[in-house]
Amino acid sequence: GQQVMQIPQYQHVQEGEDFTTYCNSSTTLSNIQWYKQRPGGHPVFLIQLVKSGEVKKQKRLTFQFGEAKKNSSLHITATQTTDVGTYFCAGPSRAYQLIWGAGTKLIIKP
Amino acid sequence: EAGVAQSPRYKIIEKRQSVAFWCNPISGHATLYWYQQILGQGPKLLIQFQNNGVVDDSQLPKDRFSAERLKGVDSTLKIQPAKLEDSAVYLCASSGTDSLNQPQHFGDGTRLSIL
Repeated sequence: GQQVMQIPQYQHVQEGEDFTTYCNSSTTLSNIQWYKQRPGGHPVFLIQLVKSGEVKKQKRLTFQFGEAKKNSSLHITATQTTDVGTYFCAGPSRAYQLIWGAGTKLIIKP
Repeated sequence: EAGVAQSPRYKIIEKRQSVAFWCNPISGHATLYWYQQILGQGPKLLIQFQNNGVVDDSQLPKDRFSAERLKGVDSTLKIQPAKLEDSAVYLCASSGTDSLNQPQHFGDGTRLSIL
């Protein structure tokens, strides 16, 4: 069946270092959505990418959608403690539901 | 605008007991979702409603789980009888009619513990 794979599962960084998570779909996606879930919280929508090769920025966050619309990435520059949480990608399936990646947990080393 | 409301926030029950969760979506949102999120995993869709009709319930364990959205607004999710593996956070989300191209807005969830 259709799958959305996300790597890595965890990433430990020192505050101020960069962070990247990658999302790969087994099929072409019409769009991809990114969500952030803080510890103990619920997923919060960050952004949606629609166009092939699209790049969008939100302050220190850069989102990319691959040319083939099968992969995407989220890059955070100079992480801060407020960035801690799990980042999920999600893409629509042919069955009209969102397929979620397993998430990448960003952990800031003390 | 008011967000998605869920209750209760926490529930502890013993296995084989029953439990119900309630969700009130954002006003005007036609699509309502129930997700199960086990610790350390991504959300798993249990059921999706469009107004008061079911769009997808392929991952709902129908022998024990049921959900309804009778008037196309509020929704309830019930588990009867509960099993140990049902321990999870149950998240309700809502979105506009074009569900695949609009963001989902989540409630705070109900954390269910089965003893």
